[in-house]
Amino acid sequence: QITLKESGPTLVKPTQTLTLTCTFSGFSLSTTAVSVGWIRQPPGKPLDWLALIDGTDEKRYSSSQRSRLTITKDTSKNQVVLTMTNMDPVDTATFFCAHRRGVIFDFWGQGILVTVSS
Amino acid sequence: DIVMTQSPDSLAVSLGERASINCKSSQSIFYSSNNNNYLAWYQQKPGQPPKLLISWASTRESGVPERFSGSGSGTDFTLTISSLQAEDVAVYYCHQNYGYPYTFGQGTKLEIK
Repeated sequence: QITLKESGPTLVKPTQTLTLTCTFSGFSLSTTAVSVGWIRQPPGKPLDWLALIDGTDEKRYSSSQRSRLTITKDTSKNQVVLTMTNMDPVDTATFFCAHRRGVIFDFWGQGILVTVSS
Repeated sequence: DIVMTQSPDSLAVSLGERASINCKSSQSIFYSSNNNNYLAWYQQKPGQPPKLLISWASTRESGVPERFSGSGSGTDFTLTISSLQAEDVAVYYCHQNYGYPYTFGQGTKLEIK
């Protein structure tokens, strides 16, 4: 059974760096066939894909957010970490991590709402 | 970037009636070498993560009711619910996984008339 859970701060101040952790179970992030991605969703707005990492450590990023994002993995801990720099109130969103099977996001975490406010 | 445009933005359908949601991509998301359209449909209910309904434009996920179907190819796709049930009230998103960066449609809110 595949599960994922996001953790991290729920409130950050403008200009701070956000660090979120996705802890997963039920699969191993050790091949190209499996990856973990991050997707965010501002309140009442659509889904916005941010980043992806696969088992070979290949990484992909959103064009618009590339300069602010870093995605890493710790295979021994079954974790994927996303950092996003220079947070702004417009970055307030629910952040989801998701398991990707091939090219399809099939299992998602419940999400974590991160509010950016001073 | 591939832009995904859904229509309509919102839709109200009577229980038992058909609901159709359209999704158009700004470029073809059909890969001829494997004959696949790189298009998925998700259902999202309030306070929940998206749920995968359909992948490869028309392959229903295990456990998804048969009233949900996907069709289309190239740049134009449709999600159809053949007989709307109360539990289908949700926002529906199309998603292209053909090329990076991955992109989603703006969502279609489905309600009961």
